[in-house]
Amino acid sequence: GAGVSQTPSNKVTEKGKYVELRCDPISGHTALYWYRQSLGQGPEFLIYFQGTGAADDSGLPNDRFFAVRPEGSVSTLKIQRTERGDSAVYLCASSLDGRANEQFFGPGTRLTVL
Amino acid sequence: GNSVTQMEGPVTLSEEAFLTINCTYTATGYPSLFWYVQYPGEGLQLLLKATKADDKGSNKGFEATYRKETTSFHLEKGSVQVSDSAVYFCALRGPLYSGGGADGLTFGKGTHLIIQP
Repeated sequence: GAGVSQTPSNKVTEKGKYVELRCDPISGHTALYWYRQSLGQGPEFLIYFQGTGAADDSGLPNDRFFAVRPEGSVSTLKIQRTERGDSAVYLCASSLDGRANEQFFGPGTRLTVL
Repeated sequence: GNSVTQMEGPVTLSEEAFLTINCTYTATGYPSLFWYVQYPGEGLQLLLKATKADDKGSNKGFEATYRKETTSFHLEKGSVQVSDSAVYFCALRGPLYSGGGADGLTFGKGTHLIIQP
C-alpha cells in the first residue's frame, strides 16, 4: 500500500508569508507526528496527533506554528508570518495507534523562506 | 530533558570493513532506542530498535545492544557494503508512563556513512 505522502515536496516563500504543508498518513494509522529537520541536524519533534486531537504539541516553537487534523486522517501544518529561520525540511510520520508502534516517515517538504 | 549524542561524520570505510557508530543518550527511566537510516533520495526508515535494557536489535546485518549501565546504543556491522552508504540516526522515545514531550522521537544529529568499493 501507499506510504506517508507529503505535499508540496518543495515550497519557496517570502519572509512574512503564510504557508500550509500537507501530510497524508498511511491509511488506518491513527497516530500522526510532525518533525522539523534543519540542515545538518536530526529531526526535531513538533506535534503528535492521536485521531483528531493534538495529544502533545510541546515541540511547536511558538504560536506562529499550528497544525490540524480535522477528520483524523490528513493533517496540515500551518506557519504564519514565516521567518528565514523556519527554513527546514518538515517531516510527517504516522503509526498504527501511537507511541508503542513504529513510526513511518514521509519524504518531507523542503521549506525555503527568502 | 531527553537527548541523543552520536559520533559526527562523515565516516568513510572500505567495503567489507567493520563498522561502529557510537550513540549515547540521556533520558529518565527506560526509554526505547532506535536506529533510523536515510538512503540518498529516500525518507527515514527504521533500521532496528530495542525497548529494554540488554535487548539487541538487529536487521540487515546491523546490530545494536541497549546498554543501560553506559547509556549507549552503538550500531555495528561486521562487513559493510557500498549499498550501506547513507545517513544513520540514533533516536529515543521516552517511557510510556512519562508525561508531556515524550511522545515524539528525540534524534541525534546523524552520521553520514560513506563506503568505498
